[in-house]
Amino acid sequence: GQQVMQIPQYQHVQEGEDFTTYCNSSTTLSNIQWYKQRPGGHPVFLIQLVKSGEVKKQKRLTFQFGEAKKNSSLHITATQTTDVGTYFCAGGSSASKIIFGSGTRLSIRP
Amino acid sequence: DVKVTQSSRYLVKRTGEKVFLECVQDMDHENMFWYRQDPGLGLRLIYFSYDVKMKEKGDIPEGYSVSREKKERFSLILESASTNQTSMYLCASSLGRVEQYFGPGTRLTVT
Repeated sequence: GQQVMQIPQYQHVQEGEDFTTYCNSSTTLSNIQWYKQRPGGHPVFLIQLVKSGEVKKQKRLTFQFGEAKKNSSLHITATQTTDVGTYFCAGGSSASKIIFGSGTRLSIRP
Repeated sequence: DVKVTQSSRYLVKRTGEKVFLECVQDMDHENMFWYRQDPGLGLRLIYFSYDVKMKEKGDIPEGYSVSREKKERFSLILESASTNQTSMYLCASSLGRVEQYFGPGTRLTVT
């Protein structure tokens, strides 16, 4: 069945450093969504990418969808302590069902 | 403001008990989902529903069933709880192929 792999599992950075998480699907996706889950919280939607090669920015966050629509990345520039949490990608291929990656947990040294 | 509520934040049940987890959304969303979240495994889909009385199995439906009698309510049932069903359970809803809104989660412990 369809699988969505996400790496790395953990990332510990110094505040101000950049952070990137990568997502790869075993099949072509119709869209990719990104979610953030703060410690003790629930996943909250960040963004959806639909087009091949699409790049979207939200302040310090840059999201990319691969040309083949099988991979995606989230890059955070100059991390802040408010960025702490687990970032999930979720790939959609049919109907309204999406498959979540295993997530990347970001921790930050002040 | 969008809202998804779950009946309990924490629940402790004994092995063999029948367990009901309730989820209610107030956004008139057609799609509702049940996930379980375990460390290192992300969110795994148990069941989802795209309409009242309609349901589809997700990736890990074994040991679970669901009920959707009304559009706003989606119930997850553990017919006979086992210790390996100790987990965080998250309910979500969506309108079409767009963002999912999650409830706060129910941390279930089966002893």
